[in-house]
Amino acid sequence: DTGVSQDPRHKITKRGQNVTFRCDPISEHNRLYWYRQTLGQGPEFLTYFQNEAQLEKSRLLSDRFSAERPKGSFSTLEIQRTEQGDSAMYLCASSYGTGQGCDFGPGTRLTVL
Amino acid sequence: DAKTTQPNSMESNEEEPVHLPCNHSTISGTDYIHWYRQLPSQGPEYVIHGLTSNVNNRMASLAIAEDRKSSTLILHRATLRDAAVYYCILRDVGTGGGADGLTFGKGTHLIIQP
Repeated sequence: DTGVSQDPRHKITKRGQNVTFRCDPISEHNRLYWYRQTLGQGPEFLTYFQNEAQLEKSRLLSDRFSAERPKGSFSTLEIQRTEQGDSAMYLCASSYGTGQGCDFGPGTRLTVL
Repeated sequence: DAKTTQPNSMESNEEEPVHLPCNHSTISGTDYIHWYRQLPSQGPEYVIHGLTSNVNNRMASLAIAEDRKSSTLILHRATLRDAAVYYCILRDVGTGGGADGLTFGKGTHLIIQP
């Protein structure tokens, strides 16, 4: 296993367009997390899944954001009607349970023009 | 998650030990202390975690105060590749599945001088 992967690594879009990001976690990890990070700040938690169930959503996750993990493996994060304020690095992480550390992916950098 | 306090930045010389402090005076009994680091243009990387006892791994050591209100991440021999932002995070594993997201602060920006 080569770790958590994210696709695409970079995305440039125009305001109002929809974008979708994919995360492939480490295969035996049952928990998957999405974070957002803006320049100069630490990552901010968005949501997490245990297997296919979405168990927690941050108040940062507006109704334009939706995340899925349909078979408990990979996950997608969709942003509808993007705004310039959505420009950020979107990070995915996975772990097995809560007693260990999380493995983070390299992130998807979104730029909304 | 309980809050942590870290210095904004620290500077050290290459090949010397580095002690990165973290205060967490409101830590609860079920909070684990986690450390992550983030190199420029990369995602965060897990470093180490502990509950009460000091911990060692190939990357670093974690020294936890007896009252658990503070901890120190120790890099035994810093290299230029250790220049990164280091985050100290409390993770409550006592909630049985709720509130599981990590709460990152601004971390400590570690600068290594050659």
